[in-house]
Amino acid sequence: DGGITQSPKYLFRKEGQNVTLSCEQNLNHDAMYWYRQDPGQGLRLIYYSQIVNDFQKGDIAEGYSVSREKKESFPLTVTSAQKNPTAFYLCASGGRLSQPQHFGDGTRLSIL
Amino acid sequence: KQEVTQIPAALSVPEGENLVLNCSFTDSAIYNLQWFRQDPGKGLTSLLLIQSSQREQTSGRLNASLDKSSGRSTLYIAASQPGDSATYLCAVMAPSNDYKLSFGAGTTVTVRA
Repeated sequence: DGGITQSPKYLFRKEGQNVTLSCEQNLNHDAMYWYRQDPGQGLRLIYYSQIVNDFQKGDIAEGYSVSREKKESFPLTVTSAQKNPTAFYLCASGGRLSQPQHFGDGTRLSIL
Repeated sequence: KQEVTQIPAALSVPEGENLVLNCSFTDSAIYNLQWFRQDPGKGLTSLLLIQSSQREQTSGRLNASLDKSSGRSTLYIAASQPGDSATYLCAVMAPSNDYKLSFGAGTTVTVRA
């Protein structure tokens, strides 16, 4: 089945630690996205990539980093510079603009 | 900057009643509008996508309308069922935002059996 796989489902971060969230897709989509979801708020875009080896900052990129070395993979690193990382993180991919984005099942990040 | 608003934030209805969910947006020059469903602790599932040239889209019990001039979209769910309980989010894609999606905060629906 085609889809998006995010791992892990739950992640805990210690003070001063960097953590990496995985996102893999087998939909052959060029574009991939990382969103952050907080209670009572809409999804906010962290980073996006429209093609391999290229990515752009979204609305809330500070404290996060990404890479796009393969079409299928778009990992997100939450660095120690992100002071309020507790949230639900969603990865999505998209084909043509006229088609809906597909989402993974998310990773919930908490602070230890 | 495109702002997307969904009111009310929560809605509770008895089974069988029709659901009406509202979405408003500030910039009418949109490319498309999408409705998603989100179950607790899960990702988003696409329900309907309306292109800017369309006025409505239908899928089964779901019907979404689009009025660009007034900056509004409405999602209708006919004959609601307990399985329709979820959070419904709308998102707008616009050239002014480099064709990225701008999301509303969602309406959480509870259908009582």
